[in-house]
Amino acid sequence: AQKVTQAQTEISVVEKEDVTLDCVYETRDTTYYLFWYKQPPSGELVFLIRRNSFDEQNEISGRYSWNFQKSTSSFNFTITASQVVDSAVYFCALTVMNRDDKIIFGKGTRLHILP
Amino acid sequence: SQTIHQWPATLVQPVGSPLSLECTVEGTSNPNLYWYRQAAGRGLQLLFYSVGIGQISSEVPQNLSASRPQDRQFILSSKKLLLSDSGFYLCAWAYNEQFFGPGTRLTVL
Repeated sequence: AQKVTQAQTEISVVEKEDVTLDCVYETRDTTYYLFWYKQPPSGELVFLIRRNSFDEQNEISGRYSWNFQKSTSSFNFTITASQVVDSAVYFCALTVMNRDDKIIFGKGTRLHILP
Repeated sequence: SQTIHQWPATLVQPVGSPLSLECTVEGTSNPNLYWYRQAAGRGLQLLFYSVGIGQISSEVPQNLSASRPQDRQFILSSKKLLLSDSGFYLCAWAYNEQFFGPGTRLTVL
């Protein structure tokens, strides 16, 4: 069975600080995808990144960066120089590559960026 | 490009009333379709998924049902709503990643 754990329920940081959101996953499959989604107050889910299990290269996109480490089954997300607009709930998710494409979500981390 | 529609955007219903939420996808064929629910302040729970017309898999026992009468249409229903059915309902379709609709916020009073 697959599982995604986001141990941080809620985080508050002051604007311009860096913040890292943790994600630990469990799966016995060797082929899988990991995701991060952002859910702003409006409710829609915004796709941020997908990483497949064969690609451990870290990725940077502007102020966002992701650290994928298979050895620790972690896929952490860092926001550099945080801004108030980054305030949202962030979900880490996992899917194994089969017919169903079901995505297993973590419970989310609510991030507050304080001005 | 693919788009996914959900309606209504918000809904307030009394306990015991029926429910029908609709989701349609454009720009793709034979998508996998999903219904998720998010209770207030909580994570996303997968309710149903469908890999084809008439094929529905239920993830959790509950007061809800789903149907897929057409390739790109996915409907979430209930005959009698409960207070615990309140939440934010998201429809999604998948091709390597899942694309989510705008959601329906349901309040059962």
